[in-house]
Amino acid sequence: DIVMTQTPLSSPVTLGQPASISCRSSQSLVHSDGNTYLSWLQQRPGQPPRLLIYKISYRFSGVPDRFSGSGAGTDFTLKISRVEAEDVGVYYCMQATQFPPLFGQGTKLEIK
Amino acid sequence: EVQLVESGGGLVQPGRSLRLSCTASGFTFGDYAMSWFRQAPGKGLEWVDFIRSKAYGGTTEYAASVKNRFTISRDNSKSIAYLQMNSLKTEDTAVYYCTRDLYYGSGSYYTPGYWGQGTLVTVSS
Repeated sequence: DIVMTQTPLSSPVTLGQPASISCRSSQSLVHSDGNTYLSWLQQRPGQPPRLLIYKISYRFSGVPDRFSGSGAGTDFTLKISRVEAEDVGVYYCMQATQFPPLFGQGTKLEIK
Repeated sequence: EVQLVESGGGLVQPGRSLRLSCTASGFTFGDYAMSWFRQAPGKGLEWVDFIRSKAYGGTTEYAASVKNRFTISRDNSKSIAYLQMNSLKTEDTAVYYCTRDLYYGSGSYYTPGYWGQGTLVTVSS
C-alpha cells in the first residue's frame, strides 16, 4: 500500500498569517489516465470531514480562494494564504489513485 | 443539494452484527460510487469500503481490516447504501461516515466529495 506522510503534525499559526502543510507519498500518485488523485480535506472540531482540494489543485465548490494546492508526483502542499479563525481543525491529505484510498496522519491547525 | 443521512449506529456486543444505512438525496443515486469511511475516537480517517455505480455493475472493494466481515450494498431504487457489519470487534468502534464520489461514473478511483454527519458505532461488552 501507498504510505502518506504529512508534516507538520501540529501547526500553531497567527491569525492573518499564512500556513503550509506538506504531504509526501511513498510512490507516485499519477494514475494511468494521467491525472493525480491527491485531495485535501478539512475537519473542523465536532464536524465531519469536508473536501477542500482535489486533483492536487482544484478547489471544491464553496471553498475560499485563500486555500490552494500544489505539487506533483510524490510531493504535495496545501497553503492557506491568510489563516482565519474558522480554519482551525485537522487537515488530511488523501490519495485516491489506487486502492486502498489512504490518508495522511492529519495536521492540527491551531491559532497561536 | 446533495444530502447523505446515516442511521443504524449504536452499542453492540463483540461478535454481533449491525447494519448501517445511508439515505441519499439531491442527485441520481445510481450514477455515483458510494463509500464508507470511519474514524475511531481521537484518531484519523480510515477508508472502509466502496461500491461502484450502476454503470460499473455495483462491484465492491474492501479494506483488509473489514474484508469478509463487512458488506457494502446499494438499492438504487430507494437511493440507499448499506453497510452490513458482522463479527464486530472492539476495534470497529468509530464514527462511520457515508460519502458520495466526487466524480460521475468513475470506476477505478474514489474521491469523497460529499459526507454525511456520521453515525457512532460502539462495540463493547
